[in-house]
Amino acid sequence: DSGVTQTPKHLITATGQRVTLRCSPRSGDLSVYWYQQSLDQGLQFLIQYYNGEERAKGNILERFSAQQFPDLHSELNLSSLELGDSALYFCASSVAMQGYTFGSGTRLTVV
Amino acid sequence: GIQVEQSPPDLILQEGANSTLRCNFSDSVNNLQWFHQNPWGQLINLFYIPSGTKQNGRLSATTVATERYSLLYISSSQTTDSGVYFCAAFTGNQFYFGTGTSLTVIP
Repeated sequence: DSGVTQTPKHLITATGQRVTLRCSPRSGDLSVYWYQQSLDQGLQFLIQYYNGEERAKGNILERFSAQQFPDLHSELNLSSLELGDSALYFCASSVAMQGYTFGSGTRLTVV
Repeated sequence: GIQVEQSPPDLILQEGANSTLRCNFSDSVNNLQWFHQNPWGQLINLFYIPSGTKQNGRLSATTVATERYSLLYISSSQTTDSGVYFCAAFTGNQFYFGTGTSLTVIP
């Protein structure tokens, strides 16, 4: 158990729909990073939050958004879903000098 | 962003064999990690190794930051070592992942 919790583990939804992915970082970690792993793009950074504030943005589509709540859990919202959004979505948190730990991921399938 | 290149892209080993996976990165980094992605998709953190050498059982890793490469050694490979091994270099506020080495260990 990495200590980073992601729910749900699997999600199947139709094109055009909206879904919310949830991540709870390890106890004490203030940062949450979201990554997308697709077959054609590999692992790509989406967005980072630190203590409730957006810290960095990567290749995140405008249809996607995220937030981090006061209890430090984070949600990634994906809307107007397309077939190409099917992917594994990971979140990660970090502890100084120990590196980054990833959650077990949410496998999203858009049909 | 920086470029992270891994080699070889694919590797097939007989159980018990040793192997070396390589990761080259194009610029200075704050952090370098090796991950194993198992068949269920989980990314398992193997080493946090921005520089130097670390060992954990049959696995060891070395990063030479001044020459911008890292090596992952797997000794006495087992079928459970199969999966994809990713090197990830952290700089700025994000990881840059290599495309991975897909390892298959056959009994």
